[in-house]
Amino acid sequence: EIVLTQSPGTLSLSPGERATLSCRASQSVSSSYLTWYQQKPGQAPRLLMYGASSRATGIPDRFSGSGSGTDFTLTISRLEPEDFAVYYCQQYGNSLWTFGQGTTVEIK
Amino acid sequence: EVQLVESGGGLVQPGGSLRLSCAVSGFTFASYWMHWVRQAPGKGLVWVSSTNNDAGTTNYADSVKGRFTISRDNAKNTLYLQMNSLRAEDTAVYYCARLSGDYKMYFDYWGQGALVTVSS
Repeated sequence: EIVLTQSPGTLSLSPGERATLSCRASQSVSSSYLTWYQQKPGQAPRLLMYGASSRATGIPDRFSGSGSGTDFTLTISRLEPEDFAVYYCQQYGNSLWTFGQGTTVEIK
Repeated sequence: EVQLVESGGGLVQPGGSLRLSCAVSGFTFASYWMHWVRQAPGKGLVWVSSTNNDAGTTNYADSVKGRFTISRDNAKNTLYLQMNSLRAEDTAVYYCARLSGDYKMYFDYWGQGALVTVSS
């Protein structure tokens, strides 16, 4: 089973700052199968990025994704108040889907 | 509009059983793989189970294998999760989710979740 490790656990930033979130896999992951979600308290997860770098419908272009192999990154270019949330990466392989443990982006 | 609505959650004693349902609308249910994902209180997301279009192929996380059974009724546009031999560690919000239809293996729509609490 592929394990995804996200870092940092918590990111304390101010609105307008740049956020860089990391997702590292225990073995190589197809970039086609690397996904990012956003979750706010009391809500279901929301699809952000799929295929490592494709934005889902309605996701603003301040969100971008990159990476390949075992290292993937989600970048939020300028944080808006609504971006403070928990972010999860997810991968698929060998008929199993796994999530990282999440990164919390909090207001500094 | 795509909608997924879970029901059937509640309080159950350890060793007990519960069946969750997920009623969907707004898309052709029979054309999509469907999944269950859970989230323990204050914790992260954990994939639980999946079923293909006709329930001919199912997959389970090791933690629930042999205890949980995923099924679907395409005529009723409903996904199910039968949970037996429940343990305290199964306490979580259970989400049903649709797998995207483009073979990129991500969940594009989620329900609002159903809370299952296993406690005596």
